[in-house]
Amino acid sequence: AQSVTQPDIHITVSEGASLELRCNYSYGATPYLFWYVQSPGQGLQLLLKYFSGDTLVQGIKGFEAEFKRSQSSFNLRKPSVHWSDAAEYFCAVEPQGGKLIFGQGTELSVKP
Amino acid sequence: EAGVAQSPRYKIIEKRQSVAFWCNPISGHATLYWYQQILGQGPKLLIQFQNNGVVDDSQLPKDRFSAERLKGVDSTLKIQPAKLEDSAVYLCASRPTLNNEQFFGPGTRLTVL
Repeated sequence: AQSVTQPDIHITVSEGASLELRCNYSYGATPYLFWYVQSPGQGLQLLLKYFSGDTLVQGIKGFEAEFKRSQSSFNLRKPSVHWSDAAEYFCAVEPQGGKLIFGQGTELSVKP
Repeated sequence: EAGVAQSPRYKIIEKRQSVAFWCNPISGHATLYWYQQILGQGPKLLIQFQNNGVVDDSQLPKDRFSAERLKGVDSTLKIQPAKLEDSAVYLCASRPTLNNEQFFGPGTRLTVL
């Protein structure tokens, strides 16, 4: 069965520090891959997506993610975190047919 | 472009009561999804519509949940009767035909007491 694992439930980083959020997926082929962000009381906002081609994808708000087929991973990175980045981050895969399978999420806290 | 609209934003009911949620997708989006997000978990698909037809409802608890998308535009999700474990945020999303991006509404937070 397809699944998504986000190993870190909660991460705290200092403002200005770099960030990496981990995501591993289980699927027979290469799915479409997504990272979403959810602020309290808000819906999900798409940060970036990978369908094919260049394995390093750029997203909004200075985020990027790298697809590594050999590791079945799609980790999210940001070189310098801002206080406004504090939120819940979800990795998701779309095997086929349009439905998204989400990981359990990683809550990011930012220390001043 | 207006986003996905959902109402109500919050609802508190007692167990065994009924509740309905409404979603208006982005104009022209053929595909509509309802997800359930329990606290501390990622969203889980309940049902997917393509226009007014059901594509996937394999994870919809059909003994108590029902959904419809009349005329292929807006949609309602109903729970009857509600259980304590139905407390969650219910997210609606829509997607245009030639795009793999889903656009999410703000969600309805349901509390069942």
